[in-house]
Amino acid sequence: DGGITQSPKYLFRKEGQNVTLSCEQNLNHDAMYWYRQDPGQGLRLIYYSQIVNDFQKGDIAEGYSVSREKKESFPLTVTSAQKNPTAFYLCATKGTSTDTQYFGPGTRLTVL
Amino acid sequence: GESVGLHLPTLSVQEGDNSIINCAYSNSASDYFIWYKQESGKGPQFIIDIRSNMDKRQGQRVTVLLNKTVKHLSLQIAATQPGDSAVYFCAENMAPGGYQKVTFGTGTKLQVIP
Repeated sequence: DGGITQSPKYLFRKEGQNVTLSCEQNLNHDAMYWYRQDPGQGLRLIYYSQIVNDFQKGDIAEGYSVSREKKESFPLTVTSAQKNPTAFYLCATKGTSTDTQYFGPGTRLTVL
Repeated sequence: GESVGLHLPTLSVQEGDNSIINCAYSNSASDYFIWYKQESGKGPQFIIDIRSNMDKRQGQRVTVLLNKTVKHLSLQIAATQPGDSAVYFCAENMAPGGYQKVTFGTGTKLQVIP
């Protein structure tokens, strides 16, 4: 995971609450991504950002929101509108000179 | 710990043997492929990649083979060690109109028997 940090490692949420997952990188990568991982499934793209102050919906954006005010940071908010938020959330980054995405250590979100 | 390994195909190998993990990809237009290793409760780690203009690429103890005819990718791990135990998944990349579209496989769990 190198220069990508995600916090917290574990997060518990009550139903009806919004929570924000942090992703910070010091790799100077322009592109950042949020994925959701569920048992037995491939990673699914929630949101991505190719440049500061711009972001796009991925395949499963409903119930999530993001911001990209700084190059280093791409926080993900899981809102109460997300029906089944319990999952492992992964942030990834990609530099402009490569096609490879590198992942952070992940945040495990559990809804109580 | 993270339950990413549940319901996945499992490959059990003896320590010291070679491992072969397979992946079928879906899009014939994909031009870049990556293998990742994911240990329980952690984020995926890059292992090795290959472009569509190649059919084989070697790293340290790992080799990736690409068969575009049948859209098949394999990862070979030589002299498998206990530290190789993890979930391995492939990713296929294509870049329609400059945006990178990545599709991830569900993964194979590798268990190394000491």
